[in-house]
Amino acid sequence: DTAVSQTPKYLVTQMGNDKSIKCEQNLGHDTMYWYKQDSKKFLKIMFSYNNKELIINETVPNRFSPKSPDKAHLNLHINSLELGDSAVYFCASRSTRNLSHEQFFGPGTRLTVL
Amino acid sequence: AQSVTQPDIHITVSEGASLELRCNYSYGATPYLFWYVQSPGQGLQLLLKYFSGDTLVQGIKGFEAEFKRSQSSFNLRKPSVHWSDAAEYFCAVGSSNTGKLIFGQGTTLQVKP
Repeated sequence: DTAVSQTPKYLVTQMGNDKSIKCEQNLGHDTMYWYKQDSKKFLKIMFSYNNKELIINETVPNRFSPKSPDKAHLNLHINSLELGDSAVYFCASRSTRNLSHEQFFGPGTRLTVL
Repeated sequence: AQSVTQPDIHITVSEGASLELRCNYSYGATPYLFWYVQSPGQGLQLLLKYFSGDTLVQGIKGFEAEFKRSQSSFNLRKPSVHWSDAAEYFCAVGSSNTGKLIFGQGTTLQVKP
């Protein structure tokens, strides 16, 4: 009965590879987000989708491409991985009908680029 | 521009002592404010939130926070800290239109026995 799930939990790969991280929520929410947490634990928004439409695209390299096949899924594809991409990536979701704007977070995916 | 500042990077308290973690925000409109906790190797768990109404909000695990508009602050408090409270604490402000969260730098809480 996990609310927001991410796969994989850990991802170790070589520089230059292409990888994907998947996120699924079973809360019936209409908006999903990707956040990046760097080595100093700082959390920053990357992307957001509302009803499969991109609504936030922060200053992220275009090697990062989010894809939302439906409201319950938001995947993150990363091309030509670089050392600086090593981080923990968190998916989150919320319902725009919820007045408090509360977001529910997944467990995170720790990406290590060697 | 919207921003959140947590002035204390690291705080150590003794078990049973009271705790206050500071958070200051910059936001043009009425803010949506949150405190999240992250245990080592874990995701983010919501402790409490403020978006309207009573400025003193109660959360889980015995935490509370007070919204003070005049000071642009949303400090987190707990009267008696338990060893299991050792974690990273993040204050965040939410955008009213996109809902994106802007986080502070986080405060690492260490609890001494």
